[in-house]
Amino acid sequence: QSVLTQPRSVSGSPGQSITISCTGTSSDVGRYNYVSWYQQHPDKAPKLMIYGVDNRPSGVPNRFSGSKSGNTASLTISGLQAEDEADYYCCSYVGSPHWVFGGGTKLTVL
Amino acid sequence: EVQLVESGGGLVQPGGSLRLSCAASGFKFSSYEMSWVRQAPGRGLEWVSYISTRGTTIYYADSVKGRFTISRDNAKNSVYLQMNSLRAEDTAVYYCARDDLYGAESFDFWGQGTLVTVSS
Repeated sequence: QSVLTQPRSVSGSPGQSITISCTGTSSDVGRYNYVSWYQQHPDKAPKLMIYGVDNRPSGVPNRFSGSKSGNTASLTISGLQAEDEADYYCCSYVGSPHWVFGGGTKLTVL
Repeated sequence: EVQLVESGGGLVQPGGSLRLSCAASGFKFSSYEMSWVRQAPGRGLEWVSYISTRGTTIYYADSVKGRFTISRDNAKNSVYLQMNSLRAEDTAVYYCARDDLYGAESFDFWGQGTLVTVSS
């Protein structure tokens, strides 16, 4: 059982927008602006897509955006493309340092 | 080019030990905090352990505390994970991950992982 709750799956057609939620508590997502999102294609290493709630690393398309409200963070992908099909994981820093992850969301591009 | 290359995984019996290594290149290794993150087959990601730049601050997830030991050798650009008293539930792909320099507590680069299988 993961600490952060994500939907098991989401889907969308090319060109559409989707949002993946990540629900935690006041001890993790709600407490720190240190939410990150990772994309993982099958049998590949995770790749950082969003850090610090809403920042994109260099090279990540601006179709990817992040936000947070209270204890819930969200990843939005606009203008869906076939190569966006992957698993997505949210992660929150919880101090000490320690980190917790969500259970992952499988994105299907129809 | 930034590279993190893990090695040392394999099949081990319950109660056994393994030592994982992660060799870094393409960046100033001694400036980066490092972590190990694992992923059980078909499951999500789980943070395992953290080590500061000089190895003076170390943390573990409760699930591995007392059994795993993280270390690093900045002269060899490497981080290690000594795993003792292994259990079936430790079966996973183990990734080494570089902590970002954004100050945002994220993992900005990951290795390809090494598979650890604990089974009799």
